[in-house]
Amino acid sequence: EAQVTQNPRYLITVTGKKLTVTCSQNMNHEYMSWYRQDPGLGLRQIYYSMNVEVTDKGDVPEGYKVSRKEKRNFPLILESPSPNQTSLYFCATRDTGSPETQYFGPGTRLLVL
Amino acid sequence: GEDVEQSLFLSVREGDSSVINCTYTDSSSTYLYWYKQEPGAGLQLLTYIFSNMDMKQDQRLTVLLNKKDKHLSLRIADTQTGDSAIYFCAERSSGYSTLTFGKGTMLLVSP
Repeated sequence: EAQVTQNPRYLITVTGKKLTVTCSQNMNHEYMSWYRQDPGLGLRQIYYSMNVEVTDKGDVPEGYKVSRKEKRNFPLILESPSPNQTSLYFCATRDTGSPETQYFGPGTRLLVL
Repeated sequence: GEDVEQSLFLSVREGDSSVINCTYTDSSSTYLYWYKQEPGAGLQLLTYIFSNMDMKQDQRLTVLLNKKDKHLSLRIADTQTGDSAIYFCAERSSGYSTLTFGKGTMLLVSP
């Protein structure tokens, strides 16, 4: 079954404690991205990756890092989380066919105290 | 950057039609999409339309595109309680590798 998985699904942490949210896909898609979803702000893109070892900033990259060492994985790293990073995070992949559908993971709800 | 706007909330009765509207600013949009987000879940592609089309029908869903006014709408016929969700409009511009999403419209269907 084609899917995008994220772990953990829920996380409560404290300010400054480094954390990583993993994202994995089994569809062999080259394009992957991370979004955060906040009430009243909709979805905002954090980072995206067009292929292995190629990453680019989205609209709200501050406070986040990503890496793309292999095609299937695209972890999101918060080196020093702050309360304003409390949010719902989605990983997504995109195929190259028409109409270039994006497939979203189930989301990771993060609370930073 | 490009902008996509949607109304935030729509309430309808079961069996009625729902119309969710979206406006966008990018005149070079190639694809326009509607995504559905059910409570506690990620977004799922509902339907899409190419920018050279005016209308697309898919079972209970009808997408209308007015390129001149940069207006996109999603009509859901015979709306059911299971259609209650947040609906996101998104557009993909030529030359850009990312999607621009609207803030989402929460559709509430009452029995």
